Amino acid sequence: GAVVSQHPSWVICKSGTSVKIECRSLDFQATTMFWYRQFPKQSLMLMATSNEGSKATYEQGVEKDKFLINHASLTLSTLTVTSAHPEDSSFYICSATQTAYSNQPQHFGDGTRLSIL
Amino acid sequence: AQRVTQPEKLLSVFKGAPVELKCNYSYSGSPELFWYVQYSRQRLQLLLRHISRESIKGFTADLNKGETSFHLKKPFAQEEDSAMYYCALVYGGATNKLIFGTGTLLAVQP
Repeated sequence: GAVVSQHPSWVICKSGTSVKIECRSLDFQATTMFWYRQFPKQSLMLMATSNEGSKATYEQGVEKDKFLINHASLTLSTLTVTSAHPEDSSFYICSATQTAYSNQPQHFGDGTRLSIL
Repeated sequence: AQRVTQPEKLLSVFKGAPVELKCNYSYSGSPELFWYVQYSRQRLQLLLRHISRESIKGFTADLNKGETSFHLKKPFAQEEDSAMYYCALVYGGATNKLIFGTGTLLAVQP
């Protein structure tokens, strides 16, 4: 149980285009979803937290206009990288929790490798 | 500010040897800590959490508030334990946000 599906797994696009990444909880309702970014050989860095039906909360230094997050349902959150540039190339990972309690684990997707040419 | 430190980037041991993956944290509140594992070509998955005080795949971790540590231990390493291990701390009150350490790559040699 507690499977999180992330799509696409790999995307290559030209500089200036926008890219949408989907994160779905397949067998549970996700109260909260998280978006992370991981650079090569580095740890996961939290970008934002989204709760269903409300605006995402972004971490310091993350541009909310660059990384648009929508969490319209209890099973789907999307991250849109707008007007992507080569420096946005990275590995993006989503996770989801069933409740907001702090002792509940996050369930992770497989990640999306984004390459901007 | 909250912080998670995993001092070793790589830990190489022989099969059957004991393993200890170190994790130290800095947090002003009551800590909630997890160990996550990522096997080759797989997603990050929960290994264990301190509140459960459980043993998963032979691994245990004890929270030591005096030393602000949450080291992961296993008495006898197996080759299938080879993976990337991340220690993570919950912060931000009820938001359930996690801060991760930089990870330790465990390589178990035959």
